[in-house]
Amino acid sequence: ETGVTQSPTHLIKTRGQQVTLRCSSQSGHNTVSWYQQALGQGPQFIFQYYREEENGRGNFPPRFSGLQFPNYSSELNVNALELDDSALYLCASSLGTGGETQYFGPGTRLLVL
Amino acid sequence: GENVEQHPSTLSVQEGDSAVIKCTYSDSASNYFPWYKQELGKGPQLIIDIRSNVGEKKDQRIAVTLNKTAKHFSLHITETQPEDSAVYFCAAMAGGGADGLTFGKGTHLIIQP
Repeated sequence: ETGVTQSPTHLIKTRGQQVTLRCSSQSGHNTVSWYQQALGQGPQFIFQYYREEENGRGNFPPRFSGLQFPNYSSELNVNALELDDSALYLCASSLGTGGETQYFGPGTRLLVL
Repeated sequence: GENVEQHPSTLSVQEGDSAVIKCTYSDSASNYFPWYKQELGKGPQLIIDIRSNVGEKKDQRIAVTLNKTAKHFSLHITETQPEDSAVYFCAAMAGGGADGLTFGKGTHLIIQP
C-alpha cells in the first residue's frame, strides 16, 4: 500500500452534472498529480498541483479543474460531464516536482450515464 | 509532446520462464522511466524505475534496461510466478515533471501454470 487514499471508490453521474473527487497524499509528499485511465488504456496526465498551485497540465479542457489544500490533499472537479468522462481517476503523490517517483492511489471509478 | 509505445499488448509465458516487455519513447528530454504493475480493480503499483544516468537496474527477479541512444527501455522478469499475472505499464517523464508521466498502453502478462 502506498498511503495514498482516494474517495469515493465508485460514483455514478448523469451527463451534464458536476463531480468532485478527493485525494489524500502520502505522508510528507507535497505534490499531487491526477490521471484519467479509460478502460484498456494507460493513464493520461490531467494536471499536477504543488504548493496549492497548478504546476502543469495535460491535454484536458478547462472543465477539468483542481485544488490543493495546505495539508497537500487535493480535489479534482469535472463540470458538464460527458459520457466519455467515464473512467478510472487516479491521483499520485510525490515529494517535489523534479521528476520524483509518483505513488498512486486506488482510484475512483466514475460512470457517466 | 512525449509518445510512448509498448509491446506486446498481451504476453503469455509458462510459470518459471522469463518475460520481457519493451517500450520506446520519442522525447530525448525524458530522463525518468518507471514501470508499474496494475492488478484488477487497483491503482498502478511501482515495481522498478530507472533514470537516464544508468543503463540497467535490478531488484531480485525484476530488471530494467535503458538504451538512451535508441530511446528504448525494457522490463525483464525472471522465474515468473502466478502472482506476476497483471497489466504492466511503462512510462516516461522529462526532468521538470510538470508534464507528468506519459504511459504506454500496457501489457497483459499471463503466467500459465
